[in-house]
Amino acid sequence: DTEVTQTPKHLVMGMTNKKSLKCEQHMGHRAMYWYKQKAKKPPELMFVYSYEKLSINESVPSRFSPECPNSSLLNLHLHALQPEDSALYLCASSRTSGRGPQETQYFGPGTRLLVL
Amino acid sequence: LAKTTQPISMDSYEGQEVNITCSHNNIATNDYITWYQQFPSQGPRFIIQGYKTKVTNEVASLFIPADRKSSTLSLPRVSLSDTAVYYCLLSGGYQKVTFGTGTKLQVIP
Repeated sequence: DTEVTQTPKHLVMGMTNKKSLKCEQHMGHRAMYWYKQKAKKPPELMFVYSYEKLSINESVPSRFSPECPNSSLLNLHLHALQPEDSALYLCASSRTSGRGPQETQYFGPGTRLLVL
Repeated sequence: LAKTTQPISMDSYEGQEVNITCSHNNIATNDYITWYQQFPSQGPRFIIQGYKTKVTNEVASLFIPADRKSSTLSLPRVSLSDTAVYYCLLSGGYQKVTFGTGTKLQVIP
């Protein structure tokens, strides 16, 4: 099983809402990632978890709050988002800590988020 | 992180071989060159990775010259289903991966 699943597929939320995105993998990978992708742009790294610990935060605003409850699950909690946060949010995982240059990242299909 | 430069877009007819070149003049010694494919509204999918010379798998080949300042992804006999964006990136470890701007490949019947 080389699949990364993400739920929901689509999400519409208001600026005062609180919502969460969920990502799951059962490949035994120990590094998990959140990316944000705007239309016609490449994915941009947001967060990296390595062995369930946050190892990289790319200066993401605090209205995005990641959580890694266990090695298979990764959440992204959303609160007080702005319309410019509308994007495709991608989750990825890689085999070990992600520190090897040969680490391949496996991506989920993404959650399409619209903030009104 | 070293920057990569790719053509913004390319067109090709079905059945032709497509070569997409990526420039990375400031590649570091420990950087690997990785290519991903992305279809609309899907996550990127790993295609191929190499460090030097030539690498081939069931879907593509990757050519890397001795100076490693560029690389070429070769897709043999493309079909309509190969229409996608192709990203070249350098991965030097420590989890940080920066995607380049990507090349939008349009395969024409």
